[in-house]
Amino acid sequence: EVQLLESGGGLVQPGGSLRLSCAASGFTFSSYAMNWVRRAPGKGLEWVSVIYSGGSITYYAGSVRGRFTISRDNSKNTLYLQMNSLRAEDTAVYYCAKDRNSANPEDALDIWGQGTMVTVSS
Amino acid sequence: DIQMTQSPSSLSASVGDRLTITCRASQSISSYLNWYQEKPGKAPKLLIYAASSLQSGVPSRFRGSGSGTDFTLTISGLQPEDFATYYCQQSFSPPFTFGPGTKVHIK
Repeated sequence: EVQLLESGGGLVQPGGSLRLSCAASGFTFSSYAMNWVRRAPGKGLEWVSVIYSGGSITYYAGSVRGRFTISRDNSKNTLYLQMNSLRAEDTAVYYCAKDRNSANPEDALDIWGQGTMVTVSS
Repeated sequence: DIQMTQSPSSLSASVGDRLTITCRASQSISSYLNWYQEKPGKAPKLLIYAASSLQSGVPSRFRGSGSGTDFTLTISGLQPEDFATYYCQQSFSPPFTFGPGTKVHIK
């Protein structure tokens, strides 16, 4: 079964840091681009970041660029999101999501994790 | 960045209704448009990819259409489990922005 399992969420003070992990199973992780998407309380989905299969190409939403870093360890089938300089507006459920098509990173997100909650508050 | 808009932002409907949700991109995105369904407390679910391709396992009452800048999601014969929030997303170029969502309420 294809599965994504996020971890690492929690309560952090403004200006603090947190690293999220997403453990993948049931598919060839190294072949697919992977994404982070978040949903703040009472708001809609916001795409955060993507990392292509080899790990060398990454893109970010403007709201997190320069503060968040996406990475992956294909030997461990794990995706990461390092979040620094956290702000109250980063409070959200963070989902990792797999690209549908291994041959095309500009594709839909077909498998999502259950999400991990990040709360930024003093 | 490509901006995505959706209309309406919410709507009320009854079981059996046919409803249409519209999504518009701020520039042409060819057919790089995807639709997702989100229910409270659950992860989003992919319904339609590449504007009109039905994701495996998704009922055929869901249909997507459009290209360029204008797209629609149509649900024919609304079922009780279809009351949810629907998002479009462009995957033409990063950042892969989502629309603001359309919440479908029970009338």
